[in-house]
Amino acid sequence: QSVLTQPPSVSEAPRQRVTISCSGSSSNIGNNAVHWYQQLPGKAPKLLIYYDDLLPSGVSDRFSGSKSGTSASLAISGLQSEDEADYYCAAWDDSLNGVVFGGGTKLTVL
Amino acid sequence: EVQLVQSGAEVKKPGESLRISCKGSGYSFTSYWITWVRQMPGKGLEWMGTIDPSDSYTTYSPSFQGHVTISADKSISTAYLQWSSLKASDTAMYYCARHGVAAAGPDYWGQGTLVTVSS
Repeated sequence: QSVLTQPPSVSEAPRQRVTISCSGSSSNIGNNAVHWYQQLPGKAPKLLIYYDDLLPSGVSDRFSGSKSGTSASLAISGLQSEDEADYYCAAWDDSLNGVVFGGGTKLTVL
Repeated sequence: EVQLVQSGAEVKKPGESLRISCKGSGYSFTSYWITWVRQMPGKGLEWMGTIDPSDSYTTYSPSFQGHVTISADKSISTAYLQWSSLKASDTAMYYCARHGVAAAGPDYWGQGTLVTVSS
């Protein structure tokens, strides 16, 4: 059971928009920044969004992040087949004094 | 270019000991923490622990406290994850990641080290 809650899977057609939710609590998302990671099959995770809504250099602006209270969302617009991957949210947890991850969401581009 | 290069895949028997490594380059090793993450086959990411290489202060997940040891040698920009007695349930991919201040989260990740424990 992960501390942060994500839907196990989402699917959408190419060129459409999809959102992935991430729900936490006051000790993590409510008081700290949220980060999102993309993990392509057989690869290491890659930072996609940091500090709630910032894009690292080189990441497509089709990806965007937002946060409100103890929940956060990742949006992907203009879906492409290469976006098929697992997506994870993460945040520092003040009670745990460590990082908490969501359980991951598998994105399927239909 | 920031890089974290991990040691190669390992195959071990239950009860054996193991140490895997993560070498950082392209940045000031002591200015960032190193976080270790486990990914069991077909499962999600689990935080194991984080070390500050500047003073070796370490924080562990309760799920891993007492079963693994995280250490670092700043003179060679390398962090380690070690087990004194492996179990079959330790079979997993292990990632190290560079971690800024607590709120920043892991940014750059190593390529992963696959550990297989089987009799």
